[in-house]
Amino acid sequence: NAGVTQTPKFQVLKTGQSMTLQCAQDMNHEYMSWYRQDPGMGLRLIHYSVGAGITDQGEVPNGYNVSRSTTEDFPLRLLSAAPSQTSVYFCASSRDPQWEQYFGPGTRLTVT
Amino acid sequence: AQKVTQAQTEISVVEKEDVTLDCVYETRDTTYYLFWYKQPPSGELVFLIRRNSFDEQNEISGRYSWNFQKSTSSFNFTITASQVVDSAVYFCALSGLRGANSKLTFGKGITLSVRP
Repeated sequence: NAGVTQTPKFQVLKTGQSMTLQCAQDMNHEYMSWYRQDPGMGLRLIHYSVGAGITDQGEVPNGYNVSRSTTEDFPLRLLSAAPSQTSVYFCASSRDPQWEQYFGPGTRLTVT
Repeated sequence: AQKVTQAQTEISVVEKEDVTLDCVYETRDTTYYLFWYKQPPSGELVFLIRRNSFDEQNEISGRYSWNFQKSTSSFNFTITASQVVDSAVYFCALSGLRGANSKLTFGKGITLSVRP
């Protein structure tokens, strides 16, 4: 039982490049979400999904896209990376937002 | 909209001191859930506790205790006899039950440093 996995762990992008952060869980959780963590800002919700085929925006969705074609996977796409997207990104899953969130180990992204 | 305020940003204590981390929340929901998470220097996020709005009993788990007071909209976390391993960032979070408030909202976190 791997829990929540995220790849890659580290990534450096140039401004304007696109990439996908991968997230997978093997706990059959319906609810998955993406957060970004910046110094002094806590964890801010980017996008979330309540089940396969259903996604919605969080607090800071601009510049990011998500899709949820399976229960297990919830990738986060950066369409055209900007330095303001330099951050640590966490994926989480749970039964629903009212229950304990299981977090992945995080991806540290730097955009130059 | 719901909100979580962790007014303390950094706290430094000497080992064996007791320390309380404050959390104040705002919500219009009558049913909601409160959480604490710990983020040690290694970076992972560790769940500590979940409490629903109908359960105001205080919780104790070893050296950790939580005080939930609806009257003051607070859910404070106390570490008794702190240890160096308690050094971490601690986040309080809130989730409502319906609509826009059903998402999990985090506070900005409190960085706790425990010195030997």
